[in-house]
Amino acid sequence: QQPVQSPQAVILREGEDAVINCSSSKALYSVHWYRQKHGEAPIFLMILLKGGEQKGHDKISASFNEKKQQSSLYLTASQLSYSGTYFCGTESNSGYALNFGKGTSLLVTP
Amino acid sequence: DTGVSQDPRHKITKRGQNVTFRCDPISEHNRLYWYRQTLGQGPEFLTYFQNEAQLEKSRLLSDRFSAERPKGSFSTLEIQRTEQGDSAMYLCASSLGLAEPFFGQGTRLTVV
Repeated sequence: QQPVQSPQAVILREGEDAVINCSSSKALYSVHWYRQKHGEAPIFLMILLKGGEQKGHDKISASFNEKKQQSSLYLTASQLSYSGTYFCGTESNSGYALNFGKGTSLLVTP
Repeated sequence: DTGVSQDPRHKITKRGQNVTFRCDPISEHNRLYWYRQTLGQGPEFLTYFQNEAQLEKSRLLSDRFSAERPKGSFSTLEIQRTEQGDSAMYLCASSLGLAEPFFGQGTRLTVV
């Protein structure tokens, strides 16, 4: 079952913050976040496991609410390099393949 | 380069022809995944292997699609009798056990 991402697209000025949401109709074991730039491979950002945790590195962090079957990706003080399409991939059980959302297109302008 | 390698990067074929793509995973990664991605969409799962065993196949994988990983290292994805709807980016990813998958740059297939 494909997770639903929102918003579909967002435009930011450099230095602004953004939140990207990912929700599933099924119980989740884990949520993975990837960023993909045009013509390139998706790049792994972080994984969150059930248990309701928050993770982050640099100015990108994420939370996972297992009960609500939702995850959010937080980008603070955005940089031009953050531009790209962000995908969440969900895993309903350990060891299963990821189901990806349709993506959120993020554009950071100077 | 120690990342996931896919070959070719681009393939243009006529409708009805067969095509084969190759994926070389990161060394020692025992899991290998195939995904398909069309414009404006996220990657759609096709199939995955643990070592040489094909453990799961998506309903998207019609009888015209076949994947192999004969020695548990590289994998091939073959599409027989290609159709225009097969035009997409075919992504391969690999992981070490249950760790996060790392993606290759994909093979872009255009069926004319």
